[in-house]
This record gives sequence, C-alpha cells and structure tokens, in this order.
Amino acid sequence: QQQVKQSPQSLIVQKGGISIINCAYENTAFDYFPWYQQFPGKGPALLIAIRPDVSEKKEGRFTISFNKSAKQFSLHIMDSQPGDSATYFCAASYSGAGSYQLTFGKGTKLSVIP
Amino acid sequence: EPEVTQTPSHQVTQMGQEVILRCVPISNHLYFYWYRQILGQKVEFLVSFYNNEISEKSEIFDDQFSVERPDGSNFTLKIRSTKLEDSAMYFCASSALAYEQYFGPGTRLTVT
Repeated sequence: QQQVKQSPQSLIVQKGGISIINCAYENTAFDYFPWYQQFPGKGPALLIAIRPDVSEKKEGRFTISFNKSAKQFSLHIMDSQPGDSATYFCAASYSGAGSYQLTFGKGTKLSVIP
Repeated sequence: EPEVTQTPSHQVTQMGQEVILRCVPISNHLYFYWYRQILGQKVEFLVSFYNNEISEKSEIFDDQFSVERPDGSNFTLKIRSTKLEDSAMYFCASSALAYEQYFGPGTRLTVT
C-alpha cells in the first residue's frame, strides 16, 4: 500500500516533443506528490510538486496532471530538450506519521534526442 | 541559493568497519532525512529526524544505523559494522516546512 508505481522505465523522445511519465499510488493518505529530476552522479532535485486539491500544476515546460479518483498523476515535459535527459522520479508523502517521508517510484530514464 | 552539502563524496571501507557520513542541511530547515539509493534502483527512505529525535525510520534502519545532530548544524549517519549490501549512494535531505525536501549530492559508500 506504500508503493508508488512508475512507468515507463525508459523513454526516448525527439527534441521538441512531449515527454509523459505516469505514476500510480494506492495509499489514499498521500497528500503531497513531487517529481524529482536526477542527473548521473547527482542528488535528486525537486522539480515540481502538487497537492491533491488541484488537478493540474504548471511551471514553465513542466506540468503535473493529477487524477485523485484514479489515484494517478503524471509529468508532462513540453518542448523536450536534450538537457532534459535525466532520470525522473515521482514520489508521494503524507503527514500522518509526522515525518513526511518520501516514497519514490522506480524512476524513468528520459533520453531526448536531437 | 542555499544547498545541502555532504561529505565525503566517496567513502571506501572494509566490511565490519564503522563509517560516519556527514551532512550540513540548509540552515533554517527543521526536518532532516537520510535516504539511500542502490545503484540503478529507486531512492529509499531510511530515517527522519525532527526536534532532536528520530520521528520515523524504515525497516532498513536497523540497530547498525544511528543518526545524530551533534552541533546544531551537522547531521550524521553512522553505520556501526558495514556489510557488503550497505554499498549505495546515501543522500541527506532537509526541509523547512516538512514537505519540500531538498537533497544533497550524496555520498557513495563502497564496502569491500
């Protein structure tokens, strides 16, 4: 019930295209859903996050779509660039235990080809 | 822009030895975390720390692990007797308002 399932495992997109990564969760207590971007040898960097009271959040080329009834959320990267090539992790958190620990998906390796 | 820093960047140790991984969280942050990432796998929660005590720990965080905030700025993870399976990237994270966690660059621990 603590799992966050992420797909696809890898994704190849042409420059200028739209990258879409999907995540699903089971625990309805989750109330915070961030996406992290990780480059090789670096720590995860917070990219964008959403709360379940909104269905969409946009920051620049990055958009989170959230479907509370389906317990799914997705990251859309518009006008994908080679510099976006990285591993993307979705995550979920809740405040019930007082620690806000993040439960991560397994990651999606995105390659944007010129 | 403030950052979480971690030292060392790479630690090589022999099985059975003790290691201490160090982190300096962002200065006004109140919540501190350790996560680990085995090569090619997802990031896993180890422990959270708030108000000078552990607030939650995972099943990975057994008696071989301990955390400390010795001086109000550093946050350390100690592994008492390392095992081969402890080889991983260890990330420290901190947050001001619980939810937005900022990660450090990590310490690569190699146990031989």
